[in-house]
Formats: sequence, structure tokens, C-alpha cells
Amino acid sequence: GQQVMQIPQYQHVQEGEDFTTYCNSSTTLSNIQWYKQRPGGHPVFLIQLVKSGEVKKQKRLTFQFGEAKKNSSLHITATQTTDVGTYFCAGPGGAQKLVFGQGTRLTINP
Amino acid sequence: NAGVTQTPKFQVLKTGQSMTLQCAQDMNHEYMSWYRQDPGMGLRLIHYSVGAGITDQGEVPNGYNVSRSTTEDFPLRLLSAAPSQTSVYFCASGWDRNTIYFGEGSWLTVV
Repeated sequence: GQQVMQIPQYQHVQEGEDFTTYCNSSTTLSNIQWYKQRPGGHPVFLIQLVKSGEVKKQKRLTFQFGEAKKNSSLHITATQTTDVGTYFCAGPGGAQKLVFGQGTRLTINP
Repeated sequence: NAGVTQTPKFQVLKTGQSMTLQCAQDMNHEYMSWYRQDPGMGLRLIHYSVGAGITDQGEVPNGYNVSRSTTEDFPLRLLSAAPSQTSVYFCASGWDRNTIYFGEGSWLTVV
């Protein structure tokens, strides 16, 4: 079935540094979603990307959808301790399934 | 609105026991799903439903049953619990499969 691969699995940064996580699919995606899960919490929807080459921003977070709609990225500028958590991408997995990447766990040294 | 409500939050089962994880949503969402989350494995889809009376299997359905008799409720049944089913279980709902809202999770330990 459809899979989305996410890298890196872990990322540790100093507070104030930037952070990027990447999501890749072997097939074209009609859309891609990003979720954030705080430690001990549940995943929370962040954003949906639908158009080829789409770029969306939420304060310090920038989301991109590749031109071929096979990859996506989430970039955080000047990380803060509130950014700690695991970031997941998710895409259509056939039928009515939503398939998640393995997630990137972000830890921050204050 | 309470959103997506899962019960129980924590449960310990003995191998071979059965139980039901409850999930209810008050947003009138047609789409509901169950995921399990294990360390290093991300979120894996167990079962999903696109509306009352309709359910289908996800990536890891073995050992689990679901039903959808109402729009609001989507219970997950473990038929005969095994240690491999020790996990965190999340229920989610949405207008469609893409933008889904998760419950707070149910931590299950099978001993």
C-alpha cells in the first residue's frame, strides 16, 4: 500500500536554531497533511497542502508541497521550547485510508 | 463540544481477555478511525469507517473488531488480548479522511 517516508527520525537542536523535516512518497499524492504530537499527548492537525508547489506559513512554521506532489517539508525558524514534539506527515493511503509517516521527533536544548 | 472522547484512558488486561475501547464524537463527523502507536512505528491504521453501518480494515486489523451503529460512536474490540497489542490507541474523526481530530488516547497494557 501507499507509504510516506519521513526523515530524519530524530533531530536535536539548540533553541533558536532552525529545524526541517522531510516527507517523501513514491507516488503522487493528491494532498498531504501535517500533524504535531507533544510528548504524552495526541496528534494535532496543523495544515493541509493540496496544490503543486504550494507554500503555507503559520508564524514560524513553513510548509511546502513539492512540484511533483511526491514530497513535502516542514521548516521551523528559530525554534522555541514550545516546538518540542513529534511531527508527522500523512497522506492518502488508498481507499479512504490516511497513512502516517514514522514522524520526526524534535528535542530542543534551551 | 467535547470533540473526540476515548475511554478508558488506561487499562491493564491479562492475555486472552477481551475488552472494548470506546470512542465517541459530537462533531457529526462521518469519518472515524482507530490507530495504534508503538515506539518507532508511528501511527498505524487499524480500522476506519466512512459512515454509520460502514467499516473497513486498515493496515493492522488482525485481532480487532469494530462496528459503527451510529454516527457518534466507533468502539474498538479486542477479541483475545495478546502482549503484542500493548500500545497506545487513538481514535480520530473528521469530515473526511484527510483532516482528522484525535482523541486523547487509551494506554493499554497486556500482561
